[in-house]
Amino acid sequence: GENVEQHPSTLSVQEGDSAVIKCTYSDSASNYFPWYKQELGKGPQLIIDIRSNVGEKKDQRIAVTLNKTAKHFSLHITETQPEDSAVYFCAAINPNTGNQFYFGTGTSLTVIP
Amino acid sequence: KAGVTQTPRYLIKTRGQQVTLSCSPISGHRSVSWYQQTPGQGLQFLFEYFSETQRNKGNFPGRFSGRQFSNSRSEMNVSTLELGDSALYLCASSYQGTEETQYFGPGTRLLVL
Repeated sequence: GENVEQHPSTLSVQEGDSAVIKCTYSDSASNYFPWYKQELGKGPQLIIDIRSNVGEKKDQRIAVTLNKTAKHFSLHITETQPEDSAVYFCAAINPNTGNQFYFGTGTSLTVIP
Repeated sequence: KAGVTQTPRYLIKTRGQQVTLSCSPISGHRSVSWYQQTPGQGLQFLFEYFSETQRNKGNFPGRFSGRQFSNSRSEMNVSTLELGDSALYLCASSYQGTEETQYFGPGTRLLVL
């Protein structure tokens, strides 16, 4: 299987500051790492993803970095806005276990105006 | 394209009853996965269906079952409900279901009394 750990569990930042959420995974065979944002009363929405053959990916204010050697990946949100407040989940897919996503435990991000 | 839809959105049942939840994937998607989300256990994989066949199964008791129809719509059933089955049940779909992005529905919130 796979074990994904996510830190921190809660994060508060001032509007305009950056936020960083980190995840580690246990199985080096995992090769796809999506990040989801979940707002209250809604299902998780994909915000960015990265594959194991890429070290970094950026989409406007959001970026993800992957360190395969250390088996960790991070979500970076710059210039945070109040609408970024939500719970963020990282996940990993291990091709040896099919299409099962292994999720981190989530980070509740609060952006203070 | 319409997103993943789930019905019903909310459900209240009593212990011992059974429940059936429905999921309609994004048009063209053939893989449907189900997840249980609880505050204590986070997001946990239940099972995945592809072309009407269960392709992968998580670590849940046999009371949890599912099926997929020829139009890729999926249902999951929980028999002999227990209090601990209260959760948000999420459905996610993808094209082929192999190491690719999954798109989540809004979920069905089940409360067992």
